[in-house]
This record gives sequence, structure tokens and C-alpha cells, in this order.
Amino acid sequence: DAGVTQSPTHLIKTRGQHVTLRCSPISGHKSVSWYQQVLGQGPQFIFQYYEKEERGRGNFPDRFSARQFPNYSSELNVNALLLGDSALYLCASGRGEVLAYVPTDTQYFGPGTRLTVL
Amino acid sequence: AQSVTQPDIHITVSEGASLELRCNYSYGATPYLFWYVQSPGQGLQLLLKYFSGDTLVQGIKGFEAEFKRSQSSFNLRKPSVHWSDAAEYFCAVALSYSGAGSYQLTFGKGTKLSVIP
Repeated sequence: DAGVTQSPTHLIKTRGQHVTLRCSPISGHKSVSWYQQVLGQGPQFIFQYYEKEERGRGNFPDRFSARQFPNYSSELNVNALLLGDSALYLCASGRGEVLAYVPTDTQYFGPGTRLTVL
Repeated sequence: AQSVTQPDIHITVSEGASLELRCNYSYGATPYLFWYVQSPGQGLQLLLKYFSGDTLVQGIKGFEAEFKRSQSSFNLRKPSVHWSDAAEYFCAVALSYSGAGSYQLTFGKGTKLSVIP
């Protein structure tokens, strides 16, 4: 089975521009999460979608938005780019299983999109 | 708020030596704990996870981790390191949801492992 795929691999933008990042989850997975990883730091949670509904949002400004499509793929949009948005953006997919309030799911990460803002 | 601390930014070990990477968490409820590994230019790969039960968890690639509630720790260990283990290692804690979906992970800042041949 194919893993989580993300496109594009690399992206260079200038300040003030808009960017769209794409993620295709593993077949059968209904949950997609987005994380931002700034150089030298651990990933930071941005959004989670399950069955096309937003299920969680991290501490990011409104310039960041996302959506999930009927085929469970997802887009992350960032408006009015800042230099500080330069990072590796990771997508993770999972089945979305929660058993008796215990998250038994495993999140599988894609290779990421490297965004550079100049 | 939940948080994860990895006290060691960079560790260097000789090939064949044992390894222990430290992780401490701060979370009021039952923690769900993970270790991920990231090779340069790659995404994250899950090594192991702890949800409940036996506090010693076995993972892939010969790694294991022990959950110690009294110390709020979840340290990663490997008895004999291989050169291919050189990578960055992240400890994470999950905030669970009451409904269907999944969970969001809070990561530590990572520990970079270098292996001397």
C-alpha cells in the first residue's frame, strides 16, 4: 500500500503570497492532521480533520486554514506568508479509531513539504 | 497544558554501545506516549507507543521504552546501537478526544543521535 503522499516536495514563496499544500492519506484512512516543523524544533500541531470535519486546531493564526475532501485528501492553505512560516509541513493520516476514549489509532506521517518564504 | 521535555539536544554513542534517550512529560490525565524517529529529509516514523498495560513497551528496530508514572518519564532504550540508527528522535504525548477522530500530538524538541563507527 502507498503511504501518505504530500505535494509539492519543495516550495519557495515570497512574503505576502499565498500557498496551498496537499496531502493524500493512506487508503482507508479518514483522519488527516497537519503539523509545522520549524528547523531545530519538534512538529507543532496545526489542524486535524476527520470525516471532512475539523476536529482540532492548534495555536496558529487565522492565516492558516485547511479542508478535507470527500476522498479524504486534504489541503492546507496559508495566506499572507511571513518569513516565520518557513518550515517543513507534515501531514499525518490515521483510521480515526477511538476505543472507549483511548486513541488506539496510529498516525502515519508523510515526507513533508519544505516551504521557504523569502 | 501538556508538554514534553527531551533534556538532551544531541547524544553521540559508539556503534554497539547501549543507548538511552530521555523524555519527561507534563500531563494531568492518563498520558498516551509515543516515540518517533526522523531521518534527514524524511517524515516521522513511529517506533513505539504506550496506551496502557505493561509499562515496558517493545517497538521496531530493537527499541524499547519504559513508562514510569512516578517520574513522569518515558525513556527510549536500545541495547546495541547500529550506525543506521543515527537520526533525530522525538517523544510525543497525545491529547485524546471523547469522540471519533484521532488525537493531536505534542512533541518534544527532539534529540539528535550521532553514531561513531
